[in-house]
Amino acid sequence: DSGVTQTPKHLITATGQRVTLRCSPRSGDLSVYWYQQSLDQGLQFLIQYYNGEERAKGNILERFSAQQFPDLHSELNLSSLELGDSALYFCASSVFPTGGRHGYTFGSGTRLTVV
Amino acid sequence: SQQGEEDPQALSIQEGENATMNCSYKTSINNLQWYRQNSGRGLVHLILIRSNEREKHSGRLRVTLDTSKKSSSLLITASRAADTASYFCATGGGSRLTFGEGTQLTVNP
Repeated sequence: DSGVTQTPKHLITATGQRVTLRCSPRSGDLSVYWYQQSLDQGLQFLIQYYNGEERAKGNILERFSAQQFPDLHSELNLSSLELGDSALYFCASSVFPTGGRHGYTFGSGTRLTVV
Repeated sequence: SQQGEEDPQALSIQEGENATMNCSYKTSINNLQWYRQNSGRGLVHLILIRSNEREKHSGRLRVTLDTSKKSSSLLITASRAADTASYFCATGGGSRLTFGEGTQLTVNP
């Protein structure tokens, strides 16, 4: 157990639907990162939050949004889902906003299947 | 596009042998990290090497970094079946990590 908790582990939904992925960072970590892993795109950085504020944005689609709450957990909202959104979505956390020498701690991911 | 590119894409060896994976990157870096991912699972941080370091060890892992060639290598010595996984290098300055496409290592018992 890495200490980063992601729910749900698996999600199957239809095209056009909206889903919410949840992440609880490791205790003490203030920074949360979301990554998407797909066969054709590999691991892509989506977005980062640090202590409740958006800090960096990557290849995140406009249909996707995220937030970090006062208790530091984060949610990634995916809407108007398309077949191509099927992927593993990882959350990672770190103490510092730039990762630090121990790298990031990753959760076990949410596998999203859009049918 | 990915910052790092791992080579080879796949590697199959026997238990007890050494495994070497290489990573090339394109831009200047502050540090380079290596991660392991077991099938369908989350990534596990293995080691971080700073741009002013040339070599670093952690247990059976040895990482080298050549900033002049923009490349790094990960050596796993005396491999075990449990080392079977995908290995990714990652670079990043600031807030994000950019991952390579990974090397799939299979260690046969």
